Amino acid sequence: AQSVTQPDIHITVSEGASLELRCNYSYGATPYLFWYVQSPGQGLQLLLKYFSGDTLVQGIKGFEAEFKRSQSSFNLRKPSVHWSDAAEYFCAVGEEKLTFGTGTRLTIIP
Amino acid sequence: GAGVSQSPRYKVAKRGQDVALRCDPISGHVSLFWYQQALGQGPEFLTYFQNEAQLDKSGLPSDRFFAERPEGSVSTLKIQRTQQEDSAVYLCASSSAGLGDTQYFGPGTRLTVL
Repeated sequence: AQSVTQPDIHITVSEGASLELRCNYSYGATPYLFWYVQSPGQGLQLLLKYFSGDTLVQGIKGFEAEFKRSQSSFNLRKPSVHWSDAAEYFCAVGEEKLTFGTGTRLTIIP
Repeated sequence: GAGVSQSPRYKVAKRGQDVALRCDPISGHVSLFWYQQALGQGPEFLTYFQNEAQLDKSGLPSDRFFAERPEGSVSTLKIQRTQQEDSAVYLCASSSAGLGDTQYFGPGTRLTVL
């Protein structure tokens, strides 16, 4: 069965600091991996996705993620966060039906 | 065109009432998905359509939940005899087709069962 673990429930970073959100997955084959962001009252917006090819994936809003098969990880990174990045971030795996992690809430402090 | 739309955005039901939640996918999208998101949790898969065919309903929590997409476009998620544990945000997503295609999500319907 496919599963996703996001070990950090809540992360607080200063504006301008770098960010890394962790995601570990379990999947029987080559995974399709996704990062979505959810702002209050908003739907889920795709930041980036990975299936094959270059293991470093670039997404929208300056985010990137690196797929590491040996560690079953797909961590999300951003070199410098902005106050508008405050939101809930979800990692997901799946070909059709997606399995989501429980999310990481990101708080930005001035 | 427009993104995925859902209606109503908010629904309050008394326990035991039936509710119907509507999803309008992006025009031309073949696949449509329903997810349930409880407070503080990630979305959980409920069911999946390809055109009008319901290919997977393994996530529906009980036989009180029923989904349809009769013409391969608009979909309705119906919950009969609502219970308090049904309170959640119900998310609809659509994709053009194919494995791993991006799913575009609607804003969700927040259901509160009193």
